[in-house]
Amino acid sequence: ETGVTQTPRHLVMGMTNKKSLKCEQHLGHNAMYWYKQSAKKPLELMFVYNFKEQTENNSVPSRFSPECPNSSHLFLHLHTLQPEDSALYLCASSRLGLATQETQYFGPGTRLLVL
Amino acid sequence: AQTVTQSQPEMSVQEAETVTLSCTYDTSESNYYLFWYKQPPSRQMILVIRQEAYKQQNATENRFSVNFQKAAKSFSLKISDSQLGDTAMYFCAFMKLFQGGSEKLVFGKGTKLTVNP
Repeated sequence: ETGVTQTPRHLVMGMTNKKSLKCEQHLGHNAMYWYKQSAKKPLELMFVYNFKEQTENNSVPSRFSPECPNSSHLFLHLHTLQPEDSALYLCASSRLGLATQETQYFGPGTRLLVL
Repeated sequence: AQTVTQSQPEMSVQEAETVTLSCTYDTSESNYYLFWYKQPPSRQMILVIRQEAYKQQNATENRFSVNFQKAAKSFSLKISDSQLGDTAMYFCAFMKLFQGGSEKLVFGKGTKLTVNP
């Protein structure tokens, strides 16, 4: 596997279910991100992890819970979601350095449908 | 706060022709990065080209080039010799440059480009 991978690619869940999205990066990066892409809206940054530490929570509801056990893996735990949470969830990674910013590379996304 | 505006929701071009996608942004920062990403129907977000604001020379990547006008806060993407595989949503994105902190990509709403045979 190369680049950034995400599983599952498609997910249908009920509002009472609990599920998790997984992201793995094979690029040696040290920062990982979750984005939400809804129809007709710009991509929204949800969470940022730098060196496994969460540094950004962009006012995301608590029904979304991120986990970053190491710099290569990122999870998004989902519970009691709402239909408006249906969207494409994109994971990205980048390499951080002092006074530098590196390009973010994206995974293929998980298409989530909440019924 | 930074904002990114893509004023063309949809565009089309004939195969082999040239097309330019517009992007403007608003920021008070002097150091930053700008990106164009492409999202084909497969939904994979792919980096097309990147520009550092401190560089005066416009970035190029094969058939893709940008016209970066820092004073005007404009960052357009030119696609030469358009190919059917260029059909996709194109997103312009801004990233502030700062030390040791998190990176925030701010995206525009996108331009849907269709290349016609």
